[in-house]
Amino acid sequence: AQRVTQPEKLLSVFKGAPVELKCNYSYSGSPELFWYVQYSRQRLQLLLRHISRESIKGFTADLNKGETSFHLKKPFAQEEDSAMYYCALRSFQKLVFGTGTRLLVSP
Amino acid sequence: DAMVIQNPRYQVTQFGKPVTLSCSQTLNHNVMYWYQQKSSQAPKLLFHYYDKDFNNEADTPDNFQSRRPNTSFCFLDIRSPGLGDAAMYLCATSSPRSGEQFFGPGTRLTVL
Repeated sequence: AQRVTQPEKLLSVFKGAPVELKCNYSYSGSPELFWYVQYSRQRLQLLLRHISRESIKGFTADLNKGETSFHLKKPFAQEEDSAMYYCALRSFQKLVFGTGTRLLVSP
Repeated sequence: DAMVIQNPRYQVTQFGKPVTLSCSQTLNHNVMYWYQQKSSQAPKLLFHYYDKDFNNEADTPDNFQSRRPNTSFCFLDIRSPGLGDAAMYLCATSSPRSGEQFFGPGTRLTVL
């Protein structure tokens, strides 16, 4: 069965510290993975997708098929990164979301 | 700007009184989705349309129905809202090729 696991409900860091939001998945087949972000009072929006292999707002994520992981990383967190982050796996036309991790970046 | 629009943004209804939420899109996407999102939880897919084909999730209550009269519009009907149906309802669209979903701002439903 397809499943996405985000083990941390809350991640609290200071500004300038490195950030890693963990995501593990289970999927039989070639996975397509996304990170979505939801800032306070804003709509859920795509942050990045693994097939693009790009950096958005300083965030990167690498698909590790051996470890079935797609962790989101940023070397230096900013206060404006505070938001809810969801890892998601594409299954046909649907997205399977993880439970989300709230990132809180303090000054 | 091409986007996903949801109306109203806030909806208050009474226990058992039917309510309809609407969603429109200017992206011309084939697929439209309805999600329910409760506080501090991930969005939960209720159903989706691929063109006119309706796909219900197995655990979506019968109380929830949907209509898609054309490509641009999709409606969520809650026939007899209960207190447990109070939530944010999100509409999203995607094109089959891309896989990326574009979300609307949501409608927050309160049930009194």
